[in-house]
Amino acid sequence: DTGVSQNPRHKITKRGQNVTFRCDPISEHNRLYWYRQTLGQGPEFLTYFQNEAQLEKSRLLSDRFSAERPKGSFSTLEIQRTEQGDSAMYLCASSLKRTNTGELFFGEGSRLTVL
Amino acid sequence: AQSVTQPDIHITVSEGASLELRCNYSYGATPYLFWYVQSPGQGLQLLLKYFSGDTLVQGIKGFEAEFKRSQSSFNLRKPSVHWSDAAEYFCAVGAGSGGYQKVTFGIGTKLQVIP
Repeated sequence: DTGVSQNPRHKITKRGQNVTFRCDPISEHNRLYWYRQTLGQGPEFLTYFQNEAQLEKSRLLSDRFSAERPKGSFSTLEIQRTEQGDSAMYLCASSLKRTNTGELFFGEGSRLTVL
Repeated sequence: AQSVTQPDIHITVSEGASLELRCNYSYGATPYLFWYVQSPGQGLQLLLKYFSGDTLVQGIKGFEAEFKRSQSSFNLRKPSVHWSDAAEYFCAVGAGSGGYQKVTFGIGTKLQVIP
Protein backbone atom coordinates (compact mmCIF):
# COMPACT_ATOMS: atom_id res chain seq x y z
CA ASP A 1 0.00 0.00 0.00
CA THR A 2 1.68 3.17 -1.15
CA GLY A 3 0.78 6.27 0.77
CA VAL A 4 0.25 9.80 -0.45
CA SER A 5 3.21 10.96 -2.51
CA GLN A 6 4.23 14.58 -3.03
CA ASN A 7 6.81 16.08 -5.37
CA PRO A 8 9.08 17.88 -5.16
CA ARG A 9 9.82 17.61 -1.44
CA HIS A 10 11.70 20.89 -1.46
CA LYS A 11 11.58 23.85 -3.80
CA ILE A 12 13.60 27.04 -3.58
CA THR A 13 12.59 29.78 -5.97
CA LYS A 14 13.00 33.48 -6.51
CA ARG A 15 10.19 35.89 -5.95
CA GLY A 16 8.02 36.26 -9.04
CA GLN A 17 8.65 32.76 -10.39
CA ASN A 18 5.95 30.13 -10.84
CA VAL A 19 6.05 26.81 -9.03
CA THR A 20 4.02 23.64 -9.31
CA PHE A 21 3.58 20.85 -6.80
CA ARG A 22 2.22 17.42 -7.53
CA CYS A 23 0.29 15.07 -5.27
CA ASP A 24 -0.48 11.41 -5.91
CA PRO A 25 -3.12 10.22 -3.46
CA ILE A 26 -3.74 6.70 -2.23
CA SER A 27 -5.11 4.94 -5.28
CA GLU A 28 -8.65 4.16 -4.12
CA HIS A 29 -9.18 7.53 -2.43
CA ASN A 30 -11.54 9.79 -4.34
CA ARG A 31 -11.15 12.85 -2.10
CA LEU A 32 -8.05 15.02 -2.18
CA TYR A 33 -7.13 18.04 -0.08
CA TRP A 34 -4.44 20.69 -0.07
CA TYR A 35 -3.34 22.33 3.17
CA ARG A 36 -0.69 24.93 3.89
CA GLN A 37 1.41 24.92 7.03
CA THR A 38 3.62 27.79 8.10
CA LEU A 39 6.14 27.72 10.94
CA GLY A 40 4.47 27.45 14.31
CA GLN A 41 1.01 26.92 12.86
CA GLY A 42 -1.27 24.03 12.23
CA PRO A 43 -2.27 23.03 8.72
CA GLU A 44 -4.69 25.46 7.09
CA PHE A 45 -7.23 24.23 4.56
CA LEU A 46 -6.73 25.45 1.00
CA THR A 47 -8.93 23.37 -1.26
CA TYR A 48 -10.76 20.06 -1.69
CA PHE A 49 -11.53 17.80 -4.64
CA GLN A 50 -13.98 14.98 -4.97
CA ASN A 51 -12.85 13.03 -8.00
CA GLU A 52 -12.00 15.71 -10.57
CA ALA A 53 -14.39 18.35 -9.19
CA GLN A 54 -12.99 21.12 -7.01
CA LEU A 55 -15.77 21.53 -4.46
CA GLU A 56 -14.38 24.01 -1.99
CA LYS A 57 -11.71 26.69 -1.94
CA SER A 58 -10.52 28.67 1.04
CA ARG A 59 -10.28 32.43 1.01
CA LEU A 60 -6.56 31.79 1.62
CA LEU A 61 -6.36 30.62 -1.98
CA SER A 62 -5.68 33.85 -3.83
CA ASP A 63 -6.01 34.13 -7.60
CA ARG A 64 -2.29 33.37 -7.91
CA PHE A 65 -3.03 29.84 -6.72
CA SER A 66 -4.67 27.22 -8.90
CA ALA A 67 -5.26 23.57 -8.23
CA GLU A 68 -6.36 20.86 -10.61
CA ARG A 69 -7.16 17.20 -10.53
CA PRO A 70 -7.77 16.51 -14.21
CA LYS A 71 -8.57 12.81 -14.20
CA GLY A 72 -9.57 12.39 -10.61
CA SER A 73 -6.23 10.85 -9.72
CA PHE A 74 -3.18 13.04 -9.12
CA SER A 75 -3.46 16.74 -8.39
CA THR A 76 -1.29 19.78 -9.05
CA LEU A 77 -1.06 23.01 -7.10
CA GLU A 78 0.44 25.92 -9.02
CA ILE A 79 1.51 29.20 -7.50
CA GLN A 80 2.11 32.02 -9.95
CA ARG A 81 4.26 35.07 -9.28
CA THR A 82 5.45 33.71 -5.96
CA GLU A 83 5.85 36.03 -3.00
CA GLN A 84 7.93 35.58 0.14
CA GLY A 85 4.73 35.09 2.10
CA ASP A 86 4.08 31.93 0.10
CA SER A 87 6.99 30.22 1.84
CA ALA A 88 5.42 27.29 3.65
CA MET A 89 4.94 23.56 3.69
CA TYR A 90 2.22 22.49 1.28
CA LEU A 91 0.53 19.32 2.44
CA CYS A 92 -1.64 17.02 0.40
CA ALA A 93 -4.06 14.57 1.95
CA SER A 94 -6.54 12.07 0.64
CA SER A 95 -9.54 10.23 2.00
CA LEU A 96 -12.19 7.78 0.98
CA LYS A 97 -15.68 9.15 0.46
CA ARG A 98 -17.29 5.89 1.50
CA THR A 99 -16.03 6.18 5.07
CA ASN A 100 -17.05 9.87 5.34
CA THR A 101 -15.28 10.29 8.65
CA GLY A 102 -12.94 13.12 7.80
CA GLU A 103 -9.92 10.93 8.49
CA LEU A 104 -7.12 12.23 6.32
CA PHE A 105 -4.01 10.48 5.05
CA PHE A 106 -1.20 12.96 4.55
CA GLY A 107 1.83 13.03 2.33
CA GLU A 108 5.18 14.25 3.61
CA GLY A 109 4.65 17.69 2.15
CA SER A 110 6.39 19.99 -0.29
CA ARG A 111 8.40 22.74 1.34
CA LEU A 112 8.55 26.00 -0.60
CA THR A 113 11.12 28.69 0.08
CA VAL A 114 10.72 31.95 -1.80
CA LEU A 115 13.83 34.14 -1.79
CA ALA B 1 -17.60 27.40 11.75
CA GLN B 2 -15.66 24.95 13.83
CA SER B 3 -12.43 25.78 15.64
CA VAL B 4 -9.82 24.10 17.79
CA THR B 5 -7.80 25.52 20.66
CA GLN B 6 -4.60 23.96 21.91
CA PRO B 7 -3.61 26.15 24.85
CA ASP B 8 -0.11 24.73 25.30
CA ILE B 9 2.29 25.61 22.51
CA HIS B 10 5.26 23.84 24.06
CA ILE B 11 5.46 21.15 26.74
CA THR B 12 8.51 19.49 28.25
CA VAL B 13 8.28 16.20 30.11
CA SER B 14 10.81 13.73 31.46
CA GLU B 15 11.08 10.33 29.86
CA GLY B 16 8.85 7.92 31.75
CA ALA B 17 6.55 10.64 33.04
CA SER B 18 2.89 10.86 32.15
CA LEU B 19 1.61 13.24 29.50
CA GLU B 20 -1.60 15.14 28.89
CA LEU B 21 -2.06 17.48 25.95
CA ARG B 22 -5.11 19.70 26.05
CA CYS B 23 -7.57 20.35 23.24
CA ASN B 24 -10.83 22.28 23.20
CA TYR B 25 -13.10 22.50 20.21
CA SER B 26 -15.98 24.66 19.14
CA TYR B 27 -18.77 23.17 17.07
CA GLY B 28 -22.52 23.16 17.42
CA ALA B 29 -23.14 19.48 16.89
CA THR B 30 -21.26 16.29 17.68
CA PRO B 31 -17.91 16.57 15.96
CA TYR B 32 -15.46 14.07 14.62
CA LEU B 33 -12.24 14.52 16.61
CA PHE B 34 -8.68 13.58 15.77
CA TRP B 35 -5.16 13.74 17.10
CA TYR B 36 -2.32 13.77 14.60
CA VAL B 37 1.43 13.67 15.23
CA GLN B 38 4.10 15.29 13.08
CA SER B 39 7.78 14.48 13.39
CA PRO B 40 10.29 17.03 12.03
CA GLY B 41 10.19 17.23 8.24
CA GLN B 42 7.38 14.70 8.02
CA GLY B 43 3.72 14.70 7.19
CA LEU B 44 0.99 14.14 9.73
CA GLN B 45 0.16 10.70 11.07
CA LEU B 46 -3.16 9.87 12.68
CA LEU B 47 -2.83 8.83 16.33
CA LEU B 48 -6.49 8.29 17.12
CA LYS B 49 -10.00 9.40 16.31
CA TYR B 50 -13.40 9.77 17.92
CA PHE B 51 -16.63 9.50 15.98
CA SER B 52 -19.19 8.14 18.43
CA GLY B 53 -19.66 5.56 21.17
CA ASP B 54 -17.15 5.05 23.94
CA THR B 55 -15.73 8.43 24.90
CA LEU B 56 -12.31 6.97 25.77
CA VAL B 57 -10.50 6.02 22.60
CA GLN B 58 -7.27 4.16 22.19
CA GLY B 59 -4.74 4.97 19.53
CA ILE B 60 -1.37 3.93 18.29
CA LYS B 61 1.88 4.18 20.22
CA GLY B 62 0.10 3.83 23.58
CA PHE B 63 -1.88 7.07 23.33
CA GLU B 64 -5.47 7.54 24.41
CA ALA B 65 -7.89 10.44 24.42
CA GLU B 66 -11.14 11.20 26.19
CA PHE B 67 -14.04 13.08 24.67
CA LYS B 68 -15.89 15.23 27.21
CA ARG B 69 -18.90 16.88 25.65
CA SER B 70 -19.66 19.04 28.69
CA GLN B 71 -16.20 20.57 28.51
CA SER B 72 -15.86 20.54 24.70
CA SER B 73 -12.55 18.83 25.23
CA PHE B 74 -10.60 15.97 23.69
CA ASN B 75 -7.38 15.69 25.69
CA LEU B 76 -4.61 13.33 24.67
CA ARG B 77 -2.85 11.22 27.30
CA LYS B 78 -0.02 8.75 27.61
CA PRO B 79 0.95 7.10 30.90
CA SER B 80 4.69 6.90 30.22
CA VAL B 81 6.45 9.01 27.61
CA HIS B 82 9.31 7.68 25.51
CA TRP B 83 12.04 9.80 23.95
CA SER B 84 10.68 8.91 20.51
CA ASP B 85 7.42 10.69 21.35
CA ALA B 86 9.12 14.06 20.90
CA ALA B 87 7.17 15.65 18.06
CA GLU B 88 4.40 18.12 17.37
CA TYR B 89 0.84 17.10 18.14
CA PHE B 90 -2.21 18.51 16.43
CA CYS B 91 -5.80 18.25 17.55
CA ALA B 92 -8.37 18.48 14.76
CA VAL B 93 -12.11 18.62 14.38
CA GLY B 94 -14.11 17.37 11.43
CA ALA B 95 -17.48 18.99 11.01
CA GLY B 96 -20.02 19.15 8.29
CA SER B 97 -22.93 17.41 6.68
CA GLY B 98 -24.06 16.02 3.40
CA GLY B 99 -21.26 13.53 3.17
CA TYR B 100 -18.32 15.85 3.67
CA GLN B 101 -16.36 16.53 6.83
CA LYS B 102 -14.14 19.60 6.71
CA VAL B 103 -11.16 19.13 9.03
CA THR B 104 -9.81 22.09 10.97
CA PHE B 105 -6.56 21.86 12.91
CA GLY B 106 -5.31 23.50 16.05
CA ILE B 107 -2.04 25.37 16.26
CA GLY B 108 -0.22 22.36 17.64
CA THR B 109 1.68 21.47 20.81
CA LYS B 110 5.38 20.77 20.54
CA LEU B 111 6.48 18.05 22.93
CA GLN B 112 10.05 17.91 24.19
CA VAL B 113 11.18 14.82 26.10
CA ILE B 114 14.17 15.10 28.40
CA PRO B 115 16.17 12.12 29.74
